[in-house]
Amino acid sequence: DQQVKQNSPSLSVQEGRISILNCDYTNSMFDYFLWYKKYPAEGPTFLISISSIKDKNEDGRFTVFLNKSAKHLSLHIVPSQPGDSAVYFCAASEVEETSGSRLTFGEGTQLTVNP
Amino acid sequence: EAGVAQSPRYKIIEKRQSVAFWCNPISGHATLYWYQQILGQGPKLLIQFQNNGVVDDSQLPKDRFSAERLKGVDSTLKIQPAKLEDSAVYLCASSLDGRAVYGYTFGSGTRLTVV
Repeated sequence: DQQVKQNSPSLSVQEGRISILNCDYTNSMFDYFLWYKKYPAEGPTFLISISSIKDKNEDGRFTVFLNKSAKHLSLHIVPSQPGDSAVYFCAASEVEETSGSRLTFGEGTQLTVNP
Repeated sequence: EAGVAQSPRYKIIEKRQSVAFWCNPISGHATLYWYQQILGQGPKLLIQFQNNGVVDDSQLPKDRFSAERLKGVDSTLKIQPAKLEDSAVYLCASSLDGRAVYGYTFGSGTRLTVV
């Protein structure tokens, strides 16, 4: 049972344009969402997160949008840069503040930003 | 601060052999996770420790996998005997106290190939 799904295995965009990565989830108990970026031969690194009480969180070029009714979130990168080329994982946690929460990951989307 | 350290970086073994991975989390982090990432998939939680106690090992194949976290610091994950389907990257992550709001820091992982 895949509770977090990233339906696009890959995405290719031109430098300077917007990259939009999508993520859907099925577990209505998820209330905290994170995006991780992963370069080859490295572990995932935290990028940005959002609580279920918000619908948008912005950090520089990165913005995450959450649509709870649709159980959908997206990551926008504007403008995209070649250094953004990596695998992006969407992850969700059931409990935000209580010790012992754990992350459920999507399959990942390979983003390629072409110069 | 120093990151999450994992060793070895790579390991190749024959099926039915045993293998062990080591993880040193960020100093002061109470929660430690082991994830398995099979090629083309997102990381899947194997086991979660809070200090030196197991919080969640529901997805750990206990007939062949074992893990321990002595003195609430370093952790080892062992596979005995290994199967071909165990080929994956094994990621260790740590968190201040398990709350998602503080994020999780991942190590670079151990890439296991079972032949």
